[in-house]
Amino acid sequence: SQQGEEDPQALSIQEGENATMNCSYKTSINNLQWYRQNSGRGLVHLILIRSNEREKHSGRLRVTLDTSKKSSSLLITASRAADTASYFCATQNSGYALNFGKGTSLLVTP
Amino acid sequence: GAGVSQTPSNKVTEKGKYVELRCDPISGHTALYWYRQSLGQGPEFLIYFQGTGAADDSGLPNDRFFAVRPEGSVSTLKIQRTERGDSAVYLCASSSQGQNINYGYTFGSGTRLTVV
Repeated sequence: SQQGEEDPQALSIQEGENATMNCSYKTSINNLQWYRQNSGRGLVHLILIRSNEREKHSGRLRVTLDTSKKSSSLLITASRAADTASYFCATQNSGYALNFGKGTSLLVTP
Repeated sequence: GAGVSQTPSNKVTEKGKYVELRCDPISGHTALYWYRQSLGQGPEFLIYFQGTGAADDSGLPNDRFFAVRPEGSVSTLKIQRTERGDSAVYLCASSSQGQNINYGYTFGSGTRLTVV
């Protein structure tokens, strides 16, 4: 079953703009992770935020987590054409399995 | 190896046939996972190995699906009597921290299975 739900489903922006994607989930978690997928194949791990953390940064990425609202956001600043991909949030609770959402498709145009 | 390797990258098979999908994890990674991703969906968990044993196979959809990891390294996902609904990208991931879940996974590029 898929717990995470990304919003929007699709996002189109121009290079240099910021992209914000949101993720909502249903049950308590140990951590929430964001992955990028190009061309429907392998996923690349971007960032992990633990349930006791509220914000995390990695390069041009900023992730927030609000466990009271069961939601997270991923901000990509100063976007580039190479950021064009699908982005998935995945939650991990007491088990080892990651529960992925359906993803946000991001298109960055030059 | 440097990354998670999956073979074949593409597999076309006829309905009712048997297929095997291979995953070669990062050397030394004790935890190995199989996921399945249908078109337009996120990956769905199938099975998790810690070493040679299947620690959690709750995601396998039915008894036509089976996976092994006999030496704690390479894993094979086996699908019997394939159906058109099995068509998907099968993703493998590995992690060195199977006992500590607060780490991200490294995924392979996947095997695209098409059942005709």
